[in-house]
Amino acid sequence: GAVVSQHPSRVICKSGTSVKIECRSLDFQATTMFWYRQFPKQSLMLMATSNEGSKATYEQGVEKDKFLINHASLTLSTLTVTSAHPEDSSFYICSARKGDGEYQPQHFGDGTRLSIL
Amino acid sequence: GQNIDQPTEMTATEGAIVQINCTYQTSGFNGLFWYQQHAGEAPTFLSYNVLDGLEEKGRFSSFLSRSKGYSYLLLKELQMKDSASYLCAVLDSNYQLIWGAGTKLIIKP
Repeated sequence: GAVVSQHPSRVICKSGTSVKIECRSLDFQATTMFWYRQFPKQSLMLMATSNEGSKATYEQGVEKDKFLINHASLTLSTLTVTSAHPEDSSFYICSARKGDGEYQPQHFGDGTRLSIL
Repeated sequence: GQNIDQPTEMTATEGAIVQINCTYQTSGFNGLFWYQQHAGEAPTFLSYNVLDGLEEKGRFSSFLSRSKGYSYLLLKELQMKDSASYLCAVLDSNYQLIWGAGTKLIIKP
């Protein structure tokens, strides 16, 4: 199998709060994990690619100081949304690629629905 | 630029067959993925094609023509639970995954 666990599934918090989201590959090691954001009725938008033991690669337009990514082990990557504001409200989804080959499919966590009041 | 086109929405009847098309124009090609995404949930992997032809997996089949930049996902014996969005994604020459906007499939009884 290829199970990816994402926690928490839902967060509601006040503006200015920092929120940490965890992504774990439960039954495989993932050297590469991906963080996406999805707004209602829109497609997935890649935010950053997280590589174990090195700095994340951010997509154009994504603020690395606002969206902090840490990939400390082969099974865990975290995304911290710092000083979140209402416009950061979205569905955040992580994925992990099983194996070293880029041809391997990405397996997704269940997503985190973030609502900033 | 890189572009993936798929219909925005399709409607089909329970028990029938539906074909969801995807055309792509990317810088290089290292394979095409299909994912299923139910509303409010994360995508789940359905298939991967890198060679031309048809790959069958139960009620779902995926076809690829690299020369035409074209793929389709074929769903047979449709069930109500198949109502979802179907995402086409292409792995380009830099191994970046380029995502289509998804096709929302509505199944009617």
